[in-house]
Amino acid sequence: GNSVTQMEGPVTLSEEAFLTINCTYTATGYPSLFWYVQYPGEGLQLLLKATKADDKGSNKGFEATYRKETTSFHLEKGSVQVSDSAVYFCALSDAGGTSYGKLTFGQGTILTVHP
Amino acid sequence: GAVVSQHPSWVICKSGTSVKIECRSLDFQATTMFWYRQFPKQSLMLMATSNEGSKATYEQGVEKDKFLINHASLTLSTLTVTSAHPEDSSFYICSASGNYGYTFGSGTRLTVV
Repeated sequence: GNSVTQMEGPVTLSEEAFLTINCTYTATGYPSLFWYVQYPGEGLQLLLKATKADDKGSNKGFEATYRKETTSFHLEKGSVQVSDSAVYFCALSDAGGTSYGKLTFGQGTILTVHP
Repeated sequence: GAVVSQHPSWVICKSGTSVKIECRSLDFQATTMFWYRQFPKQSLMLMATSNEGSKATYEQGVEKDKFLINHASLTLSTLTVTSAHPEDSSFYICSASGNYGYTFGSGTRLTVV
């Protein structure tokens, strides 16, 4: 079946540091890939997505590139802010393109950014 | 943008009682609704998938008689936790899929005492 593996957390950084959160996946077919962010006590918000190989998703300074050859979708940001402190989830959909099947989530990575 | 309103945001109930959680898509038609459960500091576990007007499809290990899901219209889905017990205490999140992709509700913190 499908699975998503994220790097273990928590991750603690100083403001303006570079962020990488690794994500690898196992799936049949051509899944869509997502990064979601969850702030304390809230639901999930879509951060970015990519629907096919070599696509780069980007939003709010965050980027991730869909790498089919390494089955990865690592999240990066060049300069984090305190407000980026949250839990980040990598996820895949078992339906590609514009279809929306079940989402499979990674275990989540807690990010804390200190001033 | 697409918004899913989930209520209540938190609820405390006594053991043995039932609790209903509602999710409404406010400005789009949610053809499919997903219900997740999240334990503290853990990932989201898919409980069930429901399509409007059909019976929900439950994931393996989820008791369908305990977690009743109704998706009677394209804008409303409900999850009822029946005969709740302390082990049902958790954070429940709905997610609707429609033309805008996946839109998540803000979650419901259920505490059973």
